[in-house]
Parts: sequence; C-alpha cells; structure tokens
Amino acid sequence: NAGVTQTPKFQVLKTGQSMTLQCAQDMNHEYMSWYRQDPGMGLRLIHYSVGAGITDQGEVPNGYNVSRSTTEDFPLRLLSAAPSQTSVYFCASRGFRGGRNEQFFGPGTRLTVL
Amino acid sequence: GENVEQHPSTLSVQEGDSAVIKCTYSDSASNYFPWYKQELGKRPQLIIDIRSNVGEKKDQRIAVTLNKTAKHFSLHITETQPEDSAVYFCAASIETSYDKVIFGPGTSLSVIP
Repeated sequence: NAGVTQTPKFQVLKTGQSMTLQCAQDMNHEYMSWYRQDPGMGLRLIHYSVGAGITDQGEVPNGYNVSRSTTEDFPLRLLSAAPSQTSVYFCASRGFRGGRNEQFFGPGTRLTVL
Repeated sequence: GENVEQHPSTLSVQEGDSAVIKCTYSDSASNYFPWYKQELGKRPQLIIDIRSNVGEKKDQRIAVTLNKTAKHFSLHITETQPEDSAVYFCAASIETSYDKVIFGPGTSLSVIP
C-alpha cells in the first residue's frame, strides 16, 4: 500500500494564479481531510469529506475548494492564490487500524505564493 | 465548534528527565483524543490516543491522562531521549467516522543530551 500520496511536493505560484493540490489514498478510507500547517499555529483544518460526493468546511475554508468524486481522491483547489496561502499542506485519510481510529497523513506540499 | 489549546509551546528537558504537555478542549461532546508526533521535515504520526471512557493509558515511556470534568488531557514522556525531540500535537474529536479532528497549536520538545 502506498498510503496517502500528495503531488506536487513543492510549488511556487504568483498572486492570482490557480492550482490544484492532488491527494490520493489506497486504504479505502471514507474520511479524508486537508490541513495547512503554519509556524506556531499547528494543523488547521481546511475542508474534509466523509465519503464520495460529501464535503464540508473546516476551520479555515476561505480561498479553497474541494470535491470528492471517488473514494480514493480528494483534490484541493486554490482559485486565486494569495501570499497568505503560503504554507505546508497536508492531506490525511482516516480509518481504524489495530483498534485505533488513526489519521494517516500524506508527505505534504510546500506552497509559496509570491 | 471545537477549540483545542496546548501548553507549553516550547519545552526543553535534559535527557532522562520527564516531559509533560497539557491540552484543553472546549466541546464536551468530544470523546477521542489522539496525540501526534512530527519530526522535522516529516509528516505527523499517531503515537498514542485515549477515549473518554478511560482516565489513563500507557505505552512504554509515554502515557496520556484525561480529565473529562475539567476538559483537559496531558501527554507524559518519561526517561526522555534525544530521539523524542519533535513537535507534538494534541487533538480532539467525536469518535464517529464522520467527525472532524481539530488539533492544538503544537509543542516543540527539545531533549538535551
């Protein structure tokens, strides 16, 4: 199993550009989520999904869109990038393993918006 | 919605000493409290968790305690080693498959050899 994969690993955008961060998991988990990590602010939830066709907002959803057409994929779209969106983005999927309700994180995407 | 606070933000201990990280949560409906460890440049990984039907859980050198009445929970690391140096995050959620997991801001732990 590859677990949770994310592409790209690094990205530089100019203000106003759009892009999609890709996330895929092969564990057949229903629950997937996107977090951003900024220094001193921990992991803040952007959007999450409890299954194909179902998404909901997290703590900091503004400026981001998501969709969930399949169980495996959960892309995050930045419609018009702003410098405030410079961050490390982690995708995660969640499921039970060994009695634990464990959230598995992808390797992250480091995004810089100039 | 749920809000999780975490203290201290940074912590330095001598190798062999104990480290304690404390978190509070706001939503009394939360019943699942995981702790994650993130080493520099890597992804967060689950190290221990506790559910609201127990007050304490231990796994080798790490333990977690939960006080539901006060809505706070703590991570205890004994006999710290340099490889324990990392950022630690607490989190809270309602344990169904359909509830979001909210994280605290993190504690940067440094273990000095």
